[in-house]
Formats: sequence, C-alpha cells, structure tokens
Amino acid sequence: AQSVAQPEDQVNVAEGNPLTVKCTYSVSGNPYLFWYVQYPNRGLQFLLKYITGDNLVKGSYGFEAEFNKSQTSFHLKKPSALVSDSALYFCAVRGGGGFKTIFGAGTRLFVKA
Amino acid sequence: GAGVSQSPRYKVAKRGQDVALRCDPISGHVSLFWYQQALGQGPEFLTYFQNEAQLDKSGLPSDRFFAERPEGSVSTLKIQRTQQEDSAVYLCASSPGGTPPHEQYFGPGTRLTVT
Repeated sequence: AQSVAQPEDQVNVAEGNPLTVKCTYSVSGNPYLFWYVQYPNRGLQFLLKYITGDNLVKGSYGFEAEFNKSQTSFHLKKPSALVSDSALYFCAVRGGGGFKTIFGAGTRLFVKA
Repeated sequence: GAGVSQSPRYKVAKRGQDVALRCDPISGHVSLFWYQQALGQGPEFLTYFQNEAQLDKSGLPSDRFFAERPEGSVSTLKIQRTQQEDSAVYLCASSPGGTPPHEQYFGPGTRLTVT
C-alpha cells in the first residue's frame, strides 16, 4: 500500500536560515513525488515534482527537493527562508501505475523574523 | 485563466440530508480528482475521473458517496444521508492528464458541516 510520512508536525526556522521539511514514502513501482503548499484561506498550490531524471528538482519560490531512492525520501529545502514562506506543506506520492495520489498529514512551517 | 471552482463554498446539512457538491475543472483538463480533508489532516483521495470515466473509486468511504462527471467536464460529488463524520472540506483538483502525471490544480474546497 502507498503511504507518505511527514514526521514533523511543525518546523520553526529563523528568516534567512536554510529550511528542510522532511518526507518519506512507500510505493510500489516508480514513484511520482510532489510538494504542495497551503497558505491560510487559500487552496493547495503546486510547488515542485519529481518524475524522473535528476534527483534534485527545483520549483516555485526558490524551493527545491532531493529525491533519494535508497532512503525513500523527498525532502523539501530552501537555502534562505522568508517570513512569507510560513504555511502548511504537503508531500504527495503517486505510483504503481495507478491514479491514486496519497498525501502526507502536512508540516506547518513557521519562519520567524 | 480561470482556475478550478467549487460550489457551494460552505454547506451546512442536518444529519440524514443529502448534499451535492459541484466542481468546475480547468477547461480541457482530462483528469479530475476528489479529496476529503479533515481538520488538521492531509487530503485523502476519494475518486478519480479520466474524462467521463470513473477509473478509481477506491477511496469513497461508503456507498453513501457517489461521484459523476457525465460529460467529462463538470463533476458532482453526492453524499446521501449525511453523518457527522462526513464533516470535512471536500477538495476537487484537475490536471491535463497523461503519463507521466502532471501536477494537480486544486479548487478552494467546499466546507461541509453536518449538524
């Protein structure tokens, strides 16, 4: 069965510092991995995805994520956090040739000025 | 261009009532997904349409839940005899379809409260 784990409910980081939001997954077959962000009173927005190819993928707003097949991880990173990055982040996986997309429970990111 | 829209944005239903939630996907998008998001949780997959065909309904929690997309565009999620545990935000998402999968574009959701 497919699953996604986001082990941290909340991540706190100071503005200007690097941030990491963790995600591990379990899926049969090749995984398709996604990060989405949810700002208050706004819908889920796509950030980036890994389909194939380079393990480091770059996305919107300066975010990037590294796909690690051996560790079944897809951690979201940003070199320098902004206060405006404060939001709820969701990791998602689709695999096994199916259509079902499984989302993690979400990690709330707080960036302090 | 217009994004995914959902209506109503808020719905209050008495236990036992039937409700219908509407999703207008981005024009031309082949794939349409429905999710249920409980408070403090991630979206949970309910069902998937490719054009008018419902290819995966494995996430529908009971036979009280029914979804349709008869002309391959607008979709309706119907919940019969609502229960309190149905209270959640129902999200619709669409994508262009194809393989490998594209990212999904989400609507604002319908918040359902069953009293």
